[in-house]
Amino acid sequence: DQQVKQNSPSLSVQEGRISILNCDYTNSMFDYFLWYKKYPAEGPTFLISISSIKDKNEDGRFTVFLNKSAKHLSLHIVPSQPGDSAVYFCAASGSGGSQGNLIFGKGTKLSVKP
Amino acid sequence: EPEVTQTPSHQVTQMGQEVILRCVPISNHLYFYWYRQILGQKVEFLVSFYNNEISEKSEIFDDQFSVERPDGSNFTLKIRSTKLEDSAMYFCASSDSGYQPQHFGDGTRLSIL
Repeated sequence: DQQVKQNSPSLSVQEGRISILNCDYTNSMFDYFLWYKKYPAEGPTFLISISSIKDKNEDGRFTVFLNKSAKHLSLHIVPSQPGDSAVYFCAASGSGGSQGNLIFGKGTKLSVKP
Repeated sequence: EPEVTQTPSHQVTQMGQEVILRCVPISNHLYFYWYRQILGQKVEFLVSFYNNEISEKSEIFDDQFSVERPDGSNFTLKIRSTKLEDSAMYFCASSDSGYQPQHFGDGTRLSIL
């Protein structure tokens, strides 16, 4: 039962270009969405979040877009840097924000080429 | 920047033995969580803990699992009688109240032989 889906297991982008990572969800009760970055042998590191009352949230080079009608969110990284190379996880919660358990996607491995 | 710390980084245990995984959440956080990631699979929720009691648990978190906050700083996950399928990375996380993100530790790799 994949409530959160990241259909692209990997993505390769040239340094300086835009990286777009996509995520789809099936549960309309989800109201809080997060993106995490993970390096090998480390835990997930929080990047950016968005609640369902918004359709966009921006933090520096990172922007998350939420399309509730399509049950789709995306993470844009502009400009991409080699240090952004990592696995990116989309996560969702339906219990009123961080108090609830997070449902994770399988992740997308981003490679940024110099 | 404050962080969640987990010990040990790697635990090797014989099947049937008890194991305790330890976590020190971020000091002013109120909500605590355990997740696990079996090799090649998704990160899965196990349990959440607030106000000294379990607030939510998944189907994975059966009678073999327990959590405890024995003092003001530590948060532990105990597996009473480990099975081979318990081999995984176990992540502890904590968060402040409201719409604040969960912050994760670097995990404990548990290997059951």
